[in-house]
Amino acid sequence: QVQLQESGPGLMKPSQTLSLTCTVSGDSISSGSYYWNWIRQTPGKGLEWIGYIYSSGGTYYNPSLRSRLSISVDTSKNQFSLDLRSVTAADTAFYYCARASYWSKNFDSWGQGTLVTVSS
Amino acid sequence: QSALTQPASVSGSPGQSITISCTGTSSDVGGYKYVSWYQQHPGRAPKLMIFDVNNRPSGVSNRFSGSKSGNTASLTISGLQAEDESDYYCSSYTSSSTWVFGGGTKLTVL
Repeated sequence: QVQLQESGPGLMKPSQTLSLTCTVSGDSISSGSYYWNWIRQTPGKGLEWIGYIYSSGGTYYNPSLRSRLSISVDTSKNQFSLDLRSVTAADTAFYYCARASYWSKNFDSWGQGTLVTVSS
Repeated sequence: QSALTQPASVSGSPGQSITISCTGTSSDVGGYKYVSWYQQHPGRAPKLMIFDVNNRPSGVSNRFSGSKSGNTASLTISGLQAEDESDYYCSSYTSSSTWVFGGGTKLTVL
C-alpha cells in the first residue's frame, strides 16, 4: 500500500521560498502510471490543486501559481519536491502531496499534510 | 479557473438519504467523466470516495454513490450513519489539463 509523507518548515517569513518534500513508499515514482501532485488547503477553507510532476519529469502547474512555482523529482530517493517563491500570508495553508491515477485522474492516495504558516 | 459550486452545508437524520451537488462548466464537470468525491474528517487528509463519476474504490461502502447530469455532479449517501458526518469535496479534471475542486460541503447527521 502506497504511503506519502510531507516534510518541510512549519513557519516562514514573507518573501522567502517555501520548500517541501514528499517521500513515497510502497510505490515507485518511476512506475509511470501516476501523476505526483501538490494540493493545499487554507485553514477552514477549500482545496486548491497546485501542480504535478510525472515520472518523466514533466510538470504542469496551476496557472495562478505558475510564476512562483517549481516541482522536481528525485527518483533515486523516491521523492518529489515543491519550491514556492516569494511567499506571503496568503500562502499559509495545509500542504498535501497526493498520487493521481493517469487513467482515472483521481487522487487515490494522500499524505497526512503539513501546515505552513507565513508570518513576519 | 473557478472553483466548482457546492452547497455549504447539508443535513439529514440517521437512516435517511442526502445528496450533495457539484456544479461546474462544460470545461470541467460537463466535459469529462473524471469527477471524484472526497471525504475529509477534521484534522485528517481527504479520502477518495467516488471516482469517474460513479465508481467506488475498494473498501468504500455501497451507501455512497455518484452521478452526473450536464454540468452538475452529485454525491448521494443513503442510510446515513453518524460516522458519515464530515466535509465532502468534489473535484474534476479540466480542459486545461488541471484539476479544480469544489468549495466543500459540511454534512451534519442530526
